Formats: sequence, structure tokens, C-alpha cells
Amino acid sequence: DAGITQSPRHKVTETGTPVTLRCHQTENHRYMYWYRQDPGHGLRLIHYSYGVKDTDKGEVSDGYSVSRSKTEDFLLTLESATSSQTSVYFCAISPPSSGGTGELFFGEGSRLTVL
Amino acid sequence: GNSVTQMEGPVTLSEEAFLTINCTYTATGYPSLFWYVQYPGEGLQLLLKATKADDKGSNKGFEATYRKETTSFHLEKGSVQVSDSAVYFCALTSSGSARQLTFGSGTQLTVLP
Repeated sequence: DAGITQSPRHKVTETGTPVTLRCHQTENHRYMYWYRQDPGHGLRLIHYSYGVKDTDKGEVSDGYSVSRSKTEDFLLTLESATSSQTSVYFCAISPPSSGGTGELFFGEGSRLTVL
Repeated sequence: GNSVTQMEGPVTLSEEAFLTINCTYTATGYPSLFWYVQYPGEGLQLLLKATKADDKGSNKGFEATYRKETTSFHLEKGSVQVSDSAVYFCALTSSGSARQLTFGSGTQLTVLP
């Protein structure tokens, strides 16, 4: 158990509303990630963080922002949700034991539907 | 840039059949290669990995060999079980982005009793 909790697990919202997804880890790992999963696309990286207040963009960052004010929490915000952001969102961590090789541990996912 | 191409699914097999899921990649530098598995309703979990050419990763009866000459990392299992039904993702990291995984599109496997 990698100690990753995502919330909410399911959310339905309307176009134009703000949405925040939370990822909480219990292990104090430095690296955290947000991915989205869509049919035919696998998982695509949205943003990642390499420490408190240190974040960077991934492949599909447009329309998303992130914040990391504490080691254990990594927030993903959709400032104004659109239907194209309907997806399953996964948080992941990279433990030091992976040696920087890219092995990740994933949360259980947050299913977001934008109507 | 980096990319991963997987065979398209879905794949349906009978129990005890032989499984191959093809994966080829394009990457800068010397990538590490991974297979992740996603069971219904769950997040992804690492199945196996290989970090250099000719390495063989193995776990739970699954195997994959890192073939630099063909830029491939095909997943195989000699005898699948119903419990192997899941979505399988091939992925890589490269030396230029060691902590960023690039995923293939996934292959849905269904094993029938």
C-alpha cells in the first residue's frame, strides 16, 4: 500500500464551474504526479511536482493548475471545467526506492464528469 | 519525443492460452521500460520492468525482454488465467525525463473460462 488517497473519487459538475481534486500521501515522497486517462490515449501527464511549491507542466497542462503547499498534498484545479475534461484522473508518487527509474505508485483515481 | 505503440485491443483468450501483447517504442537516450496493469476499478500497478538492453523483466508468470535492436518490449505469458483479465499498459522513461512516464494506449485483455 503506497498510502495515496484521492478525493473526491467521483464528481459530476457543470461546464464553467471550478473543480479541485486532492491527492494525499502518507509517505512524504518528493515527487507527485497528476495523470488523466482517456480511452485510446492511455495515461497522459498533466502536471508534476518535485517538492513543496516546485511544479512543472506535463503533456496536457492547458486548462489545469496545481499547487503543493505541503509535502503530503498535491491539488489539481480546473478553473473553469469543460466537457473535454471529463476523464479519470490519477495521482501518482515516485518513491526514492525507484532510483529515479520511473516506477510509480498510483492512487485509485477520481472520475470527473463535466456536463 | 518519446512515444509508445501498443497492439490494439481488445484481446480475448481462453484460459491457459498463450498471451503476447506487442509494444514498440521511440525514445531519446537509453529508456527504462515498464508494463503496468490496471484491474477493473483500480489504479495502475507495476507488473514488471527492464532498465537496460537485453534485460528480462518477469512477475506473476509474465515476461518481457528489452530488445534495443527492434525497439520492442513485448509482454508474454505462457498460460493465462481468468484473473489476468485487465488492461495492460506499456510505458517508458528516458534519460532526459527519468521521472516522467510515457504510456501506450493500453490493451484490454479478457480471459474466458
